[in-house]
Amino acid sequence: GAGVSQSPSNKVTEKGKDVELRCDPISGHTALYWYRQRLGQGLEFLIYFQGNSAPDKSGLPSDRFSAERTGESVSTLTIQRTQQEDSAVYLCASSLAGAMGGYTFGSGTRLTVV
Amino acid sequence: DAKTTQPPSMDCAEGRAANLPCNHSTISGNEYVYWYRQIHSQGPQYIIHGLKNNETNEMASLIITEDRKSSTLILPHATLRDTAVYYCIAPNQGGKLIFGQGTELSVKP
Repeated sequence: GAGVSQSPSNKVTEKGKDVELRCDPISGHTALYWYRQRLGQGLEFLIYFQGNSAPDKSGLPSDRFSAERTGESVSTLTIQRTQQEDSAVYLCASSLAGAMGGYTFGSGTRLTVV
Repeated sequence: DAKTTQPPSMDCAEGRAANLPCNHSTISGNEYVYWYRQIHSQGPQYIIHGLKNNETNEMASLIITEDRKSSTLILPHATLRDTAVYYCIAPNQGGKLIFGQGTELSVKP
């Protein structure tokens, strides 16, 4: 597609449930990034995939968070046993390898844990 | 990542130049400075980047001091649509951008 696509755009879930957030990057972009943005706050880095290399998971806040990427395509961010503090907008970006000036962000998934 | 420091907020009159400063005194010799902005309810958008020389594109100009310890993003004729949070980032070799708190620019009529 022309841009980075994220789904769902909005998700309301009950505390304790698991959620899956999806990101479709731009075709040909080997790098994919997940960020979290709480209301009124800056972007927190979560995880970074680059080609077939082991992902950089250094930003994942707890073992309840995990992410996968199939080859150089779709990525799924999974949050297990959601907590209210997980409520945030989850943003995905993709880029060509090493192109830090070429991040294209999706519109995000707004997650609300009630 | 090199630590960057930006003022939390700034105002600018519509049609005037907006000059957004950034300090990055610990930047290393091969680290670029990147600027992104985030308009409300959207994902961040790339603006410009530079290493040593001043840079200009259709969106903005970037002035980097000779010692590379600071830089200024210039929006030459700010419009209301330039109201956004502006992020100055100096990434290391970790391969990803780490966003700070940025500067919230308010362009006022």
